[in-house]
Parts: sequence; C-alpha cells; structure tokens
Amino acid sequence: EVQLAESGGGLVQPGGSLRLSCAASGFTFNSHALGWVRQAPGKGLEWVSVISIRGDSTYYADSVKGRVTISRDNSKTTFYLQMNGLRAEDTAVYYCVKELVGVGGSYVFDYWGQGTLVTVSS
Amino acid sequence: DIQMTQSPSTLSASVGDRVTITCRASQSVSDLLAWYQQKPGKAPKLLIYRASSLNSGVPSRFSGSGSGTEFTLTISSLQPDDFATYYCQQFNTFSLTFGGGSKVEIK
Repeated sequence: EVQLAESGGGLVQPGGSLRLSCAASGFTFNSHALGWVRQAPGKGLEWVSVISIRGDSTYYADSVKGRVTISRDNSKTTFYLQMNGLRAEDTAVYYCVKELVGVGGSYVFDYWGQGTLVTVSS
Repeated sequence: DIQMTQSPSTLSASVGDRVTITCRASQSVSDLLAWYQQKPGKAPKLLIYRASSLNSGVPSRFSGSGSGTEFTLTISSLQPDDFATYYCQQFNTFSLTFGGGSKVEIK
C-alpha cells in the first residue's frame, strides 16, 4: 500500500524557515517524481514544486521560486521542502504527492499524503 | 502560466442526477488534463487523467471528455459519496495549474 506521511509543519513567524519532510513507502521510490501541493484555508489547490526521479530537475511555482527548495533522499525514501523567507500568504496545508507514471505530459499525482499545516504568523 | 477556469463554482444536485462540470484552459493543453475529487478535511483523489482515462478504482459513473481548451467531467448518476469539490489540473507544461474548484452540494 502506498503511503506518504508529511511532517514538519507548524507555526512560524514571518521571515522564518521550515523544512517539511515526506516519508514514502509502498512503491519503488526512485522510479517516481515527487512533489508538493498546498491549499490555503478555505481555498483551492496550488501546485508548489516537483522533483524528478534522480533529483536532477526541479520545478517551482512562481509564488515560491527563490524561497523554496525541494530535495529527495532515495536511500531514505524521503523527500523534503525547505521553505525560507516565509510569508503570511504561505499559510496552508501542504500535501506531498507522488506522480502517476506513463501518462505523458509533465506531472499528474495519484497519491497524496494527509497534509501538514503551515501557519505563518507573528 | 496557463489559467484554468472551472464552472460552475457551486452546483446543487440530487442523488441520481446527471452532473456536468466544465474546465476551460487559457491556451491549448491538448488532452493533458486531470480531474480530482476532494472531500472536506481530506486529501484530493485522482479521478481522471489524459482528459478521459479513468484512474484505477474510480467508479464508471465518472467520465471525462474534451481536448484543447475545453473539458468536462460528468457524473452519470450522482451518489451520496460524490458530494465533494472537484478540481481540474493541466499537465501540459512544467508549471502545473489547477482550476478554482467546483463544489457539488446536496439540493
């Protein structure tokens, strides 16, 4: 059974940093791109970032580019989202996601974690 | 970035109704369009990819169609478990974008 489990969310002051982790199991970790999608309270879904299978390609939404870094550790079957310079508008539930392979195009996500809440407030 | 616009934003329907949700892209995304279902407090669930391919385990009452800039998600006979919010997502580019969501409510 595929499982994705986020951790690392919490309350942080504006300008602060946070590192989210996503522990994965139940699939061949190094055969899938992985990513993060967020959802502000009461709002819709917003894609944040994706990292390729080997980690040599990363993609970011314009809203977080330059402030966020995605990485993965294939030996630990865990991936991360390092967030710096946090702003109030980054407040959201952050979901880690796994790509569905073999469908063409860029990325579609067939498994999602349960989400971790990041609150940016003084 | 490609903008995705869904309509309606809210839809009231009854069990057994046929329901259709529309998603429009600001430029062509070919058939690189997915649909997700999200229930309150839960993570989204992938329903359809490549505009019309049903994800594993998704009931056949769900179907998708369209290409280019206009897409539809249809639920042929609405069931109690289907009251949720639905999102489209384009994956034609590496800058992924979601629609704003369409909430299906009980009439």
